[in-house]
Amino acid sequence: DVKVTQSSRYLVKRTGEKVFLECVQDMDHENMFWYRQDPGLGLRLIYFSYDVKMKEKGDIPEGYSVSREKKERFSLILESASTNQTSMYLCASRHGTAYGYTFGSGTRLTVV
Amino acid sequence: SQQGEEDPQALSIQEGENATMNCSYKTSINNLQWYRQNSGRGLVHLILIRSNEREKHSGRLRVTLDTSKKSSSLLITASRAADTASYFCAPRPIQGAQKLVFGQGTRLTINP
Repeated sequence: DVKVTQSSRYLVKRTGEKVFLECVQDMDHENMFWYRQDPGLGLRLIYFSYDVKMKEKGDIPEGYSVSREKKERFSLILESASTNQTSMYLCASRHGTAYGYTFGSGTRLTVV
Repeated sequence: SQQGEEDPQALSIQEGENATMNCSYKTSINNLQWYRQNSGRGLVHLILIRSNEREKHSGRLRVTLDTSKKSSSLLITASRAADTASYFCAPRPIQGAQKLVFGQGTRLTINP
């Protein structure tokens, strides 16, 4: 089975810190995605990547950046964490557009 | 909007009963996918139905698709306590197919 691993289940960071959320997949998937999930707002796409070194903004990219230097790893970076970035962050990958997503278990980030 | 709208928002049934959730969408699609999310976890891909298919089965799951009405339904037969979760539909539009947009989901509770 494809596995998508997010480095932390729970994370607490201080306002203004630079935060790295790591996501690794083990099945050579081209596409990778970062979503955040908030009560009442559902899942919202932050960034996605078609392939290595490629990235596209999603619906809410402000305050975030991403890095994809290797095919298996897609990192989400909070440049200067703020309390409104407290959320559940979900990483996903897929082989191509005709396939479903495989999600990681999520990282619950709290910014204090 | 590219997202699916799930209905009802919440559903509570007795163990052993069947659960039906509906999804409506607005754009032309290539396929439609259903996902399950257990509390505090990532989403799990359940089933993908292509636009030229009308019905698909997987174990106790039955998905139908009516592209003329732009709607889909997910039926879970003989429900179990472990089916308690949120369920999301994700239509994959023909345009902008690189990303999926998720709605708010249906929160299903199975009572023992």
